[in-house]
Amino acid sequence: ETGVTQSPTHLIKTRGQQVTLRCSSQSGHNTVSWYQQALGQGPQFIFQYYREEENGRGNFPPRFSGLQFPNYSSELNVNALELDDSALYLCASSRFRDARPLHFGNGTRLTVT
Amino acid sequence: AQKITQTQPGMFVQEKEAVTLDCTYDTSDPSYGLFWYKQPSSGEMIFLIYQGSYDQQNATEGRYSLNFQKARKSANLVISASQLGDSAMYFCAMSLNNAGNNRKLIWGLGTSLAVNP
Repeated sequence: ETGVTQSPTHLIKTRGQQVTLRCSSQSGHNTVSWYQQALGQGPQFIFQYYREEENGRGNFPPRFSGLQFPNYSSELNVNALELDDSALYLCASSRFRDARPLHFGNGTRLTVT
Repeated sequence: AQKITQTQPGMFVQEKEAVTLDCTYDTSDPSYGLFWYKQPSSGEMIFLIYQGSYDQQNATEGRYSLNFQKARKSANLVISASQLGDSAMYFCAMSLNNAGNNRKLIWGLGTSLAVNP
């Protein structure tokens, strides 16, 4: 059984640019959630995708958007990058309506300069 | 408001001793889940233990146990026989059965645990 994989592992972007982060969910999981973890903080929920549609969103502006593909993999897109977007971005997969723990990937560390 | 509070920014423990990491939560939802995750310096978030709000017994997973006191709204993590590899950040998180099955997690700020040899 393959786990959650995220790419790239590290990324450096300039303010104002756009970035795409990718996540492959664990085998058998149909739901993907994205979290932002700023340095020294706990993760913050960005949004969740199920059946290729957004299924809940945290307090993040519209320049944070996502996609889920038929194979349940997902992308997180961030437009007009700001310095405060520098963080570790974590992807987690699960089965819909399953209360068992989320399985996280190793994260993508984004630095905006 | 739904919230997780971890009051210990940092903790030290001697190798082979037990340590308790505190977590209190706040929710009016009767159905919720409580999780503990470990985050080493590499950044990966590793699931440790889960407790459902309706579970009658405290959860245990190997050296990890969860001291669940529902009336006090606390869910402390106990690590027995600490090992050097236990040095990491530890996060307490809560999930709610809110509308649409949007099972987002609400996280505390974490506790940094250092195990001394």
